[in-house]
Amino acid sequence: TQLLEQSPQFLSIQEGENLTVYCNSSSVFSSLQWYRQEPGEGPVLLVTVVTGGEVKKLKRLTFQFGDARKDSSLHITAAQPGDTGLYLCAGARDAGNMLTFGGGTRLMVKP
Amino acid sequence: NAGVTQTPKFRVLKTGQSMTLLCAQDMNHEYMYWYRQDPGMGLRLIHYSVGEGTTAKGEVPDGYNVSRLKKQNFLLGLESAAPSQTSVYFCASGYDLNTEAFFGQGTRLTVV
Repeated sequence: TQLLEQSPQFLSIQEGENLTVYCNSSSVFSSLQWYRQEPGEGPVLLVTVVTGGEVKKLKRLTFQFGDARKDSSLHITAAQPGDTGLYLCAGARDAGNMLTFGGGTRLMVKP
Repeated sequence: NAGVTQTPKFRVLKTGQSMTLLCAQDMNHEYMYWYRQDPGMGLRLIHYSVGEGTTAKGEVPDGYNVSRLKKQNFLLGLESAAPSQTSVYFCASGYDLNTEAFFGQGTRLTVV
C-alpha cells in the first residue's frame, strides 16, 4: 500500500470537459507537490501547497490542500489535449523527510 | 539551460551484465536522487545524496550502488543486472530534501 494513493489511475475525457483527480493519505503532510509528466520526459513541478485548506490556481488548474493536510485535489476546467500526461502528487511528512510520490493519474484528453 | 542530464537514454542489458547510469546537474544543487518508475507505482527512491562525497539508501536500494565524487555528478551502478531491474530510471536534484525536484529525461533500461 502506497503512502499516497492517487485516483483515478486512468482517465480519458473529451476536450472541453472538467475533471478532478485526487491524492489521499492517512498521514499528515507538511507540504504537497503536484507534478506533470509528459511521455518521454521527467516530471515537472506544477505547484506546492503548504497550508491546510489552501487553494492555488494555475490558469485552468485549481489545486486544493485538505484542511487536515492529509489529501489534495487537482481540478482542471475545460481540459485541452495539451493537458494529457501523468499527474503525480508528492508529499513530505515533515521538513526532515524525503518526498514520497503517489502512483499517478494518467490523463488523456481527446480532441 | 541544461538542468539535469542523464546518459544513456536507452539501454538493453543481458542478465548478469553491469552498467553505470550517469547524471549531471548544472544548478549547483546539494541534493541528488535516483528513482525508478514502474507502471502504477509512481516514483520509488533508490539512493540519494545530500552533498559531495555522501550517499544514502532510499526505499528500494538492493541491487544498486551509487557514488557522488563531484557535486554535479551522481552515478548509479548495477553490478549484476536482473530482469526485475527493467524500468525507467530518473535522476533528480534539488536545493533541499523535500523542495522542488528537477528531473532528467530518464533512462529506459531493459534487462533480458
